[in-house]
Amino acid sequence: AQSVAQPEDQVNVAEGNPLTVKCTYSVSGNPYLFWYVQYPNRGLQFLLKYITGDNLVKGSYGFEAEFNKSQTSFHLKKPSALVSDSALYFCAVRDYRDSSYKLIFGSGTRLLVRP
Amino acid sequence: NAGVTQTPKFQVLKTGQSMTLQCAQDMNHNSMYWYRQDPGMGLRLIYYSASEGTTDKGEVPNGYNVSRLNKREFSLRLESAAPSQTSVYFCASSGPGQGFGNYGYTFGSGTRLTVV
Repeated sequence: AQSVAQPEDQVNVAEGNPLTVKCTYSVSGNPYLFWYVQYPNRGLQFLLKYITGDNLVKGSYGFEAEFNKSQTSFHLKKPSALVSDSALYFCAVRDYRDSSYKLIFGSGTRLLVRP
Repeated sequence: NAGVTQTPKFQVLKTGQSMTLQCAQDMNHNSMYWYRQDPGMGLRLIYYSASEGTTDKGEVPNGYNVSRLNKREFSLRLESAAPSQTSVYFCASSGPGQGFGNYGYTFGSGTRLTVV
């Protein structure tokens, strides 16, 4: 079965510094990978996805993610963090079972950007 | 363009009570999903409906039932609520194709359920 792991419960970074939120995956076949963000008391919002092509994927709000096949990783990055980036971030992978596609989510990483 | 609408936003139940969480999408998506979110556990799939007229169990279906009323609506029912079902519930829908369209899932804003 497909799975993703987010090894850090929380990431702390100072405003203006680069940030990385880690995600590793385990799939059979080619991975379809996603990042979502959740602000307090809100639903999840799409940030970016990787299906094929360029290993560096650019998404919303200045975020990007680097797909690394040899390390089975899909880390989320931003060159300069903002306090408003503080939120809960989820990595997800597409899973195919029982003739249906669905997303399998990681446990989430809380990002705290301090002023 | 409302996207995915969930009702209610908040609910408190007593153990043993029943209730139905409602979800509707206006994007003409075929597939709809119910997840629960618990601290440290991410989102876990309860039930899903790949298309109108079909429903299937996800990872944590026990204690829940679902109905895909039509293409727009997918409801989640708790027949006899238990404290272990205290959680935040999210409905989602997905666009056409194996890549889930442009955005993967589109999520509702959630229902915060407390069972006492």
